[in-house]
Amino acid sequence: EVKLVESGGGLVQPGGSLRLSCAASGFTFSDRFMDWVRQAPGRGLEWVARARNKANTYTTEYAASVKGRFTISRDDSKNSLYLQMNSLKTEDTAVYFCARAAHHTGNYFFDYWGQGTLVTVSS
Amino acid sequence: DIQMTQSPSSLSASVGDRVTITCRASQGIYDYLAWFQQKPGKAPKSLIHAASSLDSGVPSRFSGSGYGTDFTLTITSLQPEDFATYYCQQYNSYPLTFGGGTKVEIK
Repeated sequence: EVKLVESGGGLVQPGGSLRLSCAASGFTFSDRFMDWVRQAPGRGLEWVARARNKANTYTTEYAASVKGRFTISRDDSKNSLYLQMNSLKTEDTAVYFCARAAHHTGNYFFDYWGQGTLVTVSS
Repeated sequence: DIQMTQSPSSLSASVGDRVTITCRASQGIYDYLAWFQQKPGKAPKSLIHAASSLDSGVPSRFSGSGYGTDFTLTITSLQPEDFATYYCQQYNSYPLTFGGGTKVEIK
C-alpha cells in the first residue's frame, strides 16, 4: 500500500523558516518524481515544487511564488522528501501535501497524495 | 503560464443525476490533463489522468474526455459519496496549474 505521511508543519512568524518532511512507503521511492502541492484555507490547489529522480539527475522545478525561498530535496536512502521553507510570508499559510508522480508519455501526473501538514505564518 | 478555467464553479444535483464539469486550458495541452476529487478536510484523490484514463480503483461512473484545450469530467448516476469539489490540472508544462474547482452539492 502506498503511503505518504507529511510532518513538520506548525506556526511560524513572518520571515521565519520551517522544514517539512514526507515519509514514503509501499513503493520504490527512488524511482519516482515527487512533488509538494499546497492549499491555502478555503482556496484551491497550488503546485509548489518537484524533485526528479536520480535517473533525471535529481533536478528540480519551482513555482514562481516560492522560487528562491523554498528548496525541495529528497533522501532516497530514507525514502523521504523535504521542503525547506525560508523567508516565510503570511501568504504561504496553507496545508502542504506531498504527492507522488507517475509517468505518462514524457510527462508526469499526480497519482497518490499524503494527508497534508498545516503551515501557519502569523505574528 | 497555462490558465485552467473550470465551469461551473458550483452545482447542485441529486443522487442519480448525470453531472458534467468542463475545464478549458488557455493553450493546447494535448491530453496532459488530470482530474481530482477532494472532500472537506481531506487530501485530493486522483481520478483521471491522460484526459480519459481512470486511475486505480476509481468507479466506472466517472469518465473524462477531451484533447487540446477543452476537457470534460462526467459522473453518470451521481452517488452520495460523490459530493465533493473537483479540480482539473494540466501537466503539459511548468508551472503545473490547477483549475479553480467545481463544488458538487446536494440539491
